[in-house]
Amino acid sequence: AQKITQTQPGMFVQEKEAVTLDCTYDTSDQSYGLFWYKQPSSGEMIFLIYQGSYDEQNATEGRYSLNFQKARKSANLVISASQLGDSAMYFCAMREGRPGRRALTFGSGTRLQVQP
Amino acid sequence: GAGVSQSPRYKVAKRGQDVALRCDPISGHVSLFWYQQALGQGPEFLTYFQNEAQLDKSGLPSDRFFAERPEGSVSTLKIQRTQQEDSAVYLCASSLGWTGGGNTIYFGEGSWLTVV
Repeated sequence: AQKITQTQPGMFVQEKEAVTLDCTYDTSDQSYGLFWYKQPSSGEMIFLIYQGSYDEQNATEGRYSLNFQKARKSANLVISASQLGDSAMYFCAMREGRPGRRALTFGSGTRLQVQP
Repeated sequence: GAGVSQSPRYKVAKRGQDVALRCDPISGHVSLFWYQQALGQGPEFLTYFQNEAQLDKSGLPSDRFFAERPEGSVSTLKIQRTQQEDSAVYLCASSLGWTGGGNTIYFGEGSWLTVV
């Protein structure tokens, strides 16, 4: 079974509007972390935001916020006031909390295109 | 350096050739990861180091893949007798400590390998 599912291969948004990128996850661990990364065409994975499974409040970092719904196992990324420079691939990832599992598991990504 | 540095950025190898990919993590970062990213896919975990110890190599696809980090800083990923299916971007990442909590994982720009 997929541990991280991103169901939107591509998304379009108008400049200055908000957009939500979906991510659902699957784990039996109680302790885990959820990450979002942006990957522009240059290839570098740029860290955006982190949410721990025990964090009671949704994470926010500037224009990025994470809509964490634990019971639904979803961790959607919300980008407010989209900018042309936000056009990129976006990946959701999870790190499970069990000992020895330090690696991130990534979804297949969503390509976001911001239109002027 | 300020970020994770990888070299070469681009490598074209003939099938059967050996290649070596270098990763220079952020200074002081204990954890180092290698990921493989095929075109249009999310990154997939290859191996993990804590200092010089390779604690997890469960993602290495075959015994043609070998990674080392002999002094706990720079790491090399070696692929022997390359095959066309090895064509991918190889991403290196590092983090300050164990990736529990919000320890951010920083990625390099990747080494783009094409096997012809």
